[in-house]
Amino acid sequence: AQTVTQSQPEMSVQEAETVTLSCTYDTSESNYYLFWYKQPPSRQMILVIRQEAYKQQNATENRFSVNFQKAAKSFSLKISDSQLGDTAMYFCAFMGNYQLIWGAGTKLIIKP
Amino acid sequence: GAGVSQSPRYKVAKRGQDVALRCDPISGHVSLFWYQQALGQGPEFLTYFQNEAQLDKSGLPSDRFFAERPEGSVSTLKIQRTQQEDSAVYLCASSRTEQRREQYFGPGTRLTVT
Repeated sequence: AQTVTQSQPEMSVQEAETVTLSCTYDTSESNYYLFWYKQPPSRQMILVIRQEAYKQQNATENRFSVNFQKAAKSFSLKISDSQLGDTAMYFCAFMGNYQLIWGAGTKLIIKP
Repeated sequence: GAGVSQSPRYKVAKRGQDVALRCDPISGHVSLFWYQQALGQGPEFLTYFQNEAQLDKSGLPSDRFFAERPEGSVSTLKIQRTQQEDSAVYLCASSRTEQRREQYFGPGTRLTVT
């Protein structure tokens, strides 16, 4: 069975700083997808970024980028030039066929 | 296009009552998912529909939980004889195709069983 581990329950950084959130996963599959979702206090789960396992190039979306290390089964999220609106819970998720397997989340606080 | 919508946003039920939670997916999305999110935790998979067919219900915690999507669009998650351990946020998500595509989530329904 697949598992996803986020080892940082909470992090806080100053506005404009760069922050990296860690995620590791365990699977025996060779083809899969990985996601980072953001859940603000309003509760709506918002897709941040997605990575296909067969792609070697790390995904990037504006200020958000990932460091995907397939052999190490690591999938970290880097947020550059952090903004107050980035304050939220961040969840790492694994997808084999269709079901999302989630980590426990990291609470990220951006301080002014 | 509108996103995924869920209703009600909040539901308080007395233990033993039946509840029905509604999900309107993004128009044209083939796949629909229900997840349960306990306080302070990541979501957990409940069930998956492809159009009107329920292809996976392995995550439903008991036979008190029932989900349907009769016309391949709107879905309803029903919980019979609610228990306190059913208190959670119930998230609905939809996806454009059958597999391996990003899922778009609704705002969730927070169920509190007293």
